[in-house]
Amino acid sequence: QLQLQESGPGLVKSSETLSLTCTVSGGSISSSSYYWGWIRQPPGKGLEWIGSIYYSGTTYYNPSLKSRVTISVDTSKNQFSLQLSSVTAADTAVYYCARLTTAHQGWDIWGQGTMVTVSS
Amino acid sequence: QSALTQPASVSGSPGQSITISCTGTSSDVGTYNLVSWYQQHPGKAPEVMIYEGTKRPSGVSNRFSGSKSGNTASLTISGLQAEDEADYYCCSYAGRGTWVFGGGTKLTVL
Repeated sequence: QLQLQESGPGLVKSSETLSLTCTVSGGSISSSSYYWGWIRQPPGKGLEWIGSIYYSGTTYYNPSLKSRVTISVDTSKNQFSLQLSSVTAADTAVYYCARLTTAHQGWDIWGQGTMVTVSS
Repeated sequence: QSALTQPASVSGSPGQSITISCTGTSSDVGTYNLVSWYQQHPGKAPEVMIYEGTKRPSGVSNRFSGSKSGNTASLTISGLQAEDEADYYCCSYAGRGTWVFGGGTKLTVL
């Protein structure tokens, strides 16, 4: 079955750029049936949608993060990536990658999540 | 784009029913029938329990049901079981490819 796995540094310095990659296994990222997204959760807090991407490269971003976020896709590697610039302590969170069905079935598959801490 | 409003906590005894509300606006919950609900146990990734407001993915117990009225969506869990104790989040489409989550509700099974 399809699985998602986040990877990237667990510690990022303040003002620098956070970079994470999500590797899709057991299925193709190029399917027309899905979007791929990033969702984060600060410690002890709720979920926040960061953005989504289609295999064609079309992107959608949370308006509150749009100026700092870039999501890209590499279909040859079956991966999609997140870059968040100018990070602060407020960006410390568990970052999840997830799959969204175009059939409106919600975010149906999630990665295990990766904790990213922003240090000063 | 503001987070959807959920109660911080709800509780119920085994066998009882509880309902969690999720209030949005006419720009999200009120316009689109694209509300989903997620269950999250501590240290785990969320799992979708309801999509399109009222539909259950295969494998999800029929004790979970969803509804919507105006700008408010609701998740009802009937026949509460100890394993239902978790955090629950609603999520709504907000137009132009964007999504918004609720603040989350902690369910305690007494």
